[in-house]
Amino acid sequence: GEDVEQSLFLSVREGDSSVINCTYTDSSSTYLYWYKQEPGAGLQLLTYIFSNMDMKQDQRLTVLLNKKDKHLSLRIADTQTGDSAIYFCAERKLRAGNTGKLIFGQGTTLQVKP
Amino acid sequence: EAGVTQFPSHSVIEKGQTVTLRCDPISGHDNLYWYRRVMGKEIKFLLHFVKESKQDESGMPNNRFLAERTGGTYSTLKVQPAELEDSGVYFCASSSTGYGYTFGSGTRLTVV
Repeated sequence: GEDVEQSLFLSVREGDSSVINCTYTDSSSTYLYWYKQEPGAGLQLLTYIFSNMDMKQDQRLTVLLNKKDKHLSLRIADTQTGDSAIYFCAERKLRAGNTGKLIFGQGTTLQVKP
Repeated sequence: EAGVTQFPSHSVIEKGQTVTLRCDPISGHDNLYWYRRVMGKEIKFLLHFVKESKQDESGMPNNRFLAERTGGTYSTLKVQPAELEDSGVYFCASSSTGYGYTFGSGTRLTVV
């Protein structure tokens, strides 16, 4: 199938770390992405990881990829109230002709409490 | 560099009416994609243009949806006639590389 699965909701306290998890299905996926959607706004690319990498770090964001288990996680260190948003995991699905379409999960709503 | 622009940002129409959504990609991006998020569910792929050609339209729900990209620049997505289940947020994305995607802010369509 083409399912990308995410938990729907996560609540953390300001200053704590947040970990958002995602599982995907296509072992041939070359790129995996995390997008952020703030209320009333569009999709903002946070980071992406190439499938030959295990980890990628960018300031407060750490992405971990376990290709064997098809598991992707996004860790946000020192979570702030401005991090409250919906976070979407996506895999880039290759087809003949390299259409490169994205398969998204349902999104995880992150609530950060002061 | 201007981003991906979509308009209108919101549209409320009655069942049976026609609505046309527009997407202006980043200049020079050959790849243009349409996606849709129906209430609380995952964002689903609709179709992919490379320049003016439809590369993959496997996600289009039915023949009430018509997408065009005349001249390989902006794209329109027309829904005719609209049904209640067409309500959702329609996103457009463009890419020059085929793996780096820039999304627009989306058009929220409400069919009443």
